[in-house]
Amino acid sequence: QVQLVESGGGVVQPGRSLRLSCAASGFIFSSYGIHWVRQAPGKGLEWVAVVSYDGSDKYYADSVKGRFTISRDNSKNTLYLQMNSLRGEDTAVYYCAKERRWKLSDFDYWGPGTLVTVSS
Amino acid sequence: EIVLTQSPATLSLSPGERATLSCRASQSVSSYLAWYQQRPGQAPRLLIYDASNRATGIPARFSGSGSGTDFTLTISSLEPEDFAIYYCQQRSNWPLTFGGGTKVEIK
Repeated sequence: QVQLVESGGGVVQPGRSLRLSCAASGFIFSSYGIHWVRQAPGKGLEWVAVVSYDGSDKYYADSVKGRFTISRDNSKNTLYLQMNSLRGEDTAVYYCAKERRWKLSDFDYWGPGTLVTVSS
Repeated sequence: EIVLTQSPATLSLSPGERATLSCRASQSVSSYLAWYQQRPGQAPRLLIYDASNRATGIPARFSGSGSGTDFTLTISSLEPEDFAIYYCQQRSNWPLTFGGGTKVEIK
């Protein structure tokens, strides 16, 4: 069965960096784009970024453009999100989600999420 | 950016009742609209894609309709596990956007 498991969350000071990972299994990872979606505590969902199946195409939300970088390693079935210059408003649960179709897509499988807290 | 407005914010109903949730887009998204269910402490789950197609394993009591700017998610008869928050999401344009959610609570 499809599984996505995020890791790397934690407490980080404003201005610092953090890298999230998402380990995938149960499907042909190299055939699908994967997204990051976040949810601030008690708030709704916000799409963050997507990387294409081969890593060649990437899209970002304006709120993270220039600060976050999405990437993938298909040999390890793993997705990454490098987050730099973190701000308080980046505090959220970060989910990785598999696309149903490339590239404007909805999401048919989600990980359980990892919490990132930006605080001094 | 396409803004999705969900109404009502909260829906108070009893088990067995019918739930009707609305999602309105600020511009046409054709039929490129999905619905998700999120239970407390869990990740969202895809219910409906492309306005009216049930995702794998989703019970028939969930149905979606609409096109253009106005969409509806209907739960024909609420089960105890259906009390949750529901979000709509458009895939018509970048950036992908979600509605603010409708909480279906037990009356």
